[in-house]
Amino acid sequence: DAKTTQPPSMDCAEGRAANLPCNHSTISGNEYVYWYRQIHSQGPQYIIHGLKNNETNEMASLIITEDRKSSTLILPHATLRDTAVYYCIVRVALVNNDMRFGAGTRLTVKP
Amino acid sequence: DVKVTQSSRYLVKRTGEKVFLECVQDMDHENMFWYRQDPGLGLRLIYFSYDVKMKEKGDIPEGYSVSREKKERFSLILESASTNQTSMYLCASSLKQGTTDTQYFGPGTRLTVL
Repeated sequence: DAKTTQPPSMDCAEGRAANLPCNHSTISGNEYVYWYRQIHSQGPQYIIHGLKNNETNEMASLIITEDRKSSTLILPHATLRDTAVYYCIVRVALVNNDMRFGAGTRLTVKP
Repeated sequence: DVKVTQSSRYLVKRTGEKVFLECVQDMDHENMFWYRQDPGLGLRLIYFSYDVKMKEKGDIPEGYSVSREKKERFSLILESASTNQTSMYLCASSLKQGTTDTQYFGPGTRLTVL
């Protein structure tokens, strides 16, 4: 069962904000929303995670709706190096066998 | 910054060979993981370990074994490599942060079995 739904691809102009949506309508109360990205032929890179509050770090911001059924990852000033596949994952805290990557969104940042 | 390193980026082996993939993390993480990633199949968990000398089977352990003799090192062993084990192998380690944990991945090893 796919726990998350993401658009297969998106484009963004360099220097503009990239807003990547994720639907997780069946999320449980104890599940966190995690975002990773994978640049071609490299290992996945952790970006950010959250439970119900919005979160921000040096890489991105995560906005989670009040009903927790969807979220948006925001890269405030996209660069060419942000071109990657972005994965939204929902997982229960401290359960080791639950990193389920779907197809993700292929973000292309264009000059 | 968390650093997870893998012994090789690219590896080519022959069918029947014994293959060792090494993973080292420098952040004193308790948990370590081995995944394989194949097009259209996503990330699949092979084995994980939550302590030295401890191991747990993941979703696809057949044909693989693991070793964790030291906290920072987790090895994946293919006892007799086969062509269907051609894949990208990813190691990860995890740090408990409050009520959750975050997995950090290495750069990956692309293994080709001929």
